[in-house]
Amino acid sequence: EVQLVESGGGLVQPGGSLRLSCAASGFTFSDHYMDWVRQAPGKGLEWVGRSRNKPNTYSTEYAASVKGRFTISRDESENSLYLQMNTLKTEDTAVYYCARVLCTSTTCYGGDYWGQGTLVTVSS
Amino acid sequence: AIQMTQSPSSLSASVGDRVTITCRASQGIRSGLAWYQQKPGKAPKLLIYAASSLQSGVPSRFSGSGSGTDFTLTISSLQPEDFATYYCLQDYNFPLTFGGGTKVEIK
Repeated sequence: EVQLVESGGGLVQPGGSLRLSCAASGFTFSDHYMDWVRQAPGKGLEWVGRSRNKPNTYSTEYAASVKGRFTISRDESENSLYLQMNTLKTEDTAVYYCARVLCTSTTCYGGDYWGQGTLVTVSS
Repeated sequence: AIQMTQSPSSLSASVGDRVTITCRASQGIRSGLAWYQQKPGKAPKLLIYAASSLQSGVPSRFSGSGSGTDFTLTISSLQPEDFATYYCLQDYNFPLTFGGGTKVEIK
């Protein structure tokens, strides 16, 4: 059974840093692209970034709103995905989800399995 | 970035109704579109990918159509468990972008 469990959320002051983790199980982690998606309180979904799979050297893409501040990484030995968030702003307050990406041989279509989310609150 | 315009933003419907939600992309995205359902306090659930392919385990009353810039999610006969918010997502170009959501409420 595919499982994704996020952790690491909490309250942080503006300008601070936080690292989110996503523990993956039930599938071959290195074979899959992975996304981070967030949702501000009462708002819609916003894509944050993507980590491609091992054959694609775990390369990454980011939304403009987080580029240069957030970094996605993986630990293959721990089957874990990470989101390092630096220089946090109040507008980064959101529930953060990790998702396994559904890809065919040619195209990807967003997350087919999602974690339960972890809440990040940026406030003084 | 590709803008995804979803309509309506909300709708009221009764059990058994046929419901249609549309998503328009600001430029062509071929079939690079997915539809998600989200219930309060829960993670999104993938319903449709590649514009019209039904995700495994999703009831057949859900269907998707379209290509290029105009897409549709249809629920053929609305069930009580279908009251939720629905989002489209384009996964054709980075940055990926979601539609603004459609909240389906009970009439």
